[in-house]
Parts: sequence; C-alpha cells; structure tokens
Amino acid sequence: EIVLTQSPGTLSLSPGDRATLSCRASQSVSSYLAWYQQKVGQAPRLLIYDASNRATGIPVRFGGSGSGTDFTLTISSLEPEDFAVYYCQQRSNWPYTFGQGTKLEIK
Amino acid sequence: EVQLVESGGGLVQPGGSLRLSCAASGFIFSSYWMHWVRRVPGKGLVWVSRINSDGSVTTYADSVKGRFTISRDNAKNTLYLQISSLRAEDTAIYYCARSPGSGEDHWGQGTLVTVSS
Repeated sequence: EIVLTQSPGTLSLSPGDRATLSCRASQSVSSYLAWYQQKVGQAPRLLIYDASNRATGIPVRFGGSGSGTDFTLTISSLEPEDFAVYYCQQRSNWPYTFGQGTKLEIK
Repeated sequence: EVQLVESGGGLVQPGGSLRLSCAASGFIFSSYWMHWVRRVPGKGLVWVSRINSDGSVTTYADSVKGRFTISRDNAKNTLYLQISSLRAEDTAIYYCARSPGSGEDHWGQGTLVTVSS
C-alpha cells in the first residue's frame, strides 16, 4: 500500500497569504495524484486531479504541481472560505490511499 | 444537478449488519464507476470499495474484504454497500462518490455508522 505523508500537519496563515501544502508518496505514483478540500460537516470536494489539473469550477488560485513522489498544492491568495482540511490522494495503485491531511487555519 | 444521497446508517452492535444505499440523480448513473469512502471520527479518509459501471468488477480494501459487499442497481440509479461482521473500528461516516476516472468529482453528504454495544 502506498503511504502518502502530508506536511505540515497544520498551517496557520492569514487571508491574502500564499499557502503551500506538500504531499510525499512512499513510491512513485506518476501523476496519479488528486487533492481534496473538506470542511467540517461537508463532503470532500475535488480540487486538483492528475497532479496539476483543476477540477470543474475550482478557482484559479488553486494550483497543483509535482510528479513521481513529491507534490505541492498552492493557494496563491487565501480567501476566508479556503480555511479547511486538505487531503492528497493517490490513484496509481489500489487501494487508493489518502494522506493524513493538512489543516489550514486562520492565524 | 448531480446529487448523491446516502442512507441506511445508524447504531449497530458489534457483529451486526447494515445496508447502506446511495441514490444518484442528475447524471447517467450506469456510465460511472462508483466508490465508497469512509471518514473515521477525528481521523482522515479511507477507501473502502469501488465498482465499475455495470457491476461486473468490484474491489475492496483489505480491512473490509470478506465483510463488505458493494453492488449497484442501474435501473434504480442506486449504489449499495452491505456491511456485516461490524467492528468498533468500522465506526465512520460513509460517503459514496462518483468517479469519472481521474478523481471523485461528486460526493454525497455521508451516512454515519456507529458500532457500539
């Protein structure tokens, strides 16, 4: 099973700041990596698929990069609604696995 | 509008069973792979199972293999998860999700399963 390790565990920033979230895989997942956002009491929301493609309706301030084992989700300028938990997910091998999440909180 | 609505969760004793349902609307259900994912309280997301568009291919996480069964009724636009021999560690919110292939682009709001005596 591929293990995804996200860092940091918690990121404290202010609206308008740039956020950089990392995800490292225990083995190569090529570009088969997605990012999700989850708010309390809500379902996960697909942000990025195939490492760098924004899902339908996702604002351009969300960007993904990386391949192989190291991936980054960047939020260029934080909006109040962006404070949530973010998960990376690999879909290279079954079982698909998620990282443990990065909590983005307001500083 | 794509909608996925889960139901069937509840409180069940260890060793018990439940059948979760996911009613789909707003898209051609029979064209999509569907997945079940769970979120353990205070922890992260864990994949449970998936099924292909016609129901002929199913896959399970090792932790649920032999205890959970995924199925679908394309005539009723409904996805199912039969969960049995339940353990405390199966306590979670269970989500169904639609999978076009590169990510799960629509999710239901989830149904809570609590396993406790």
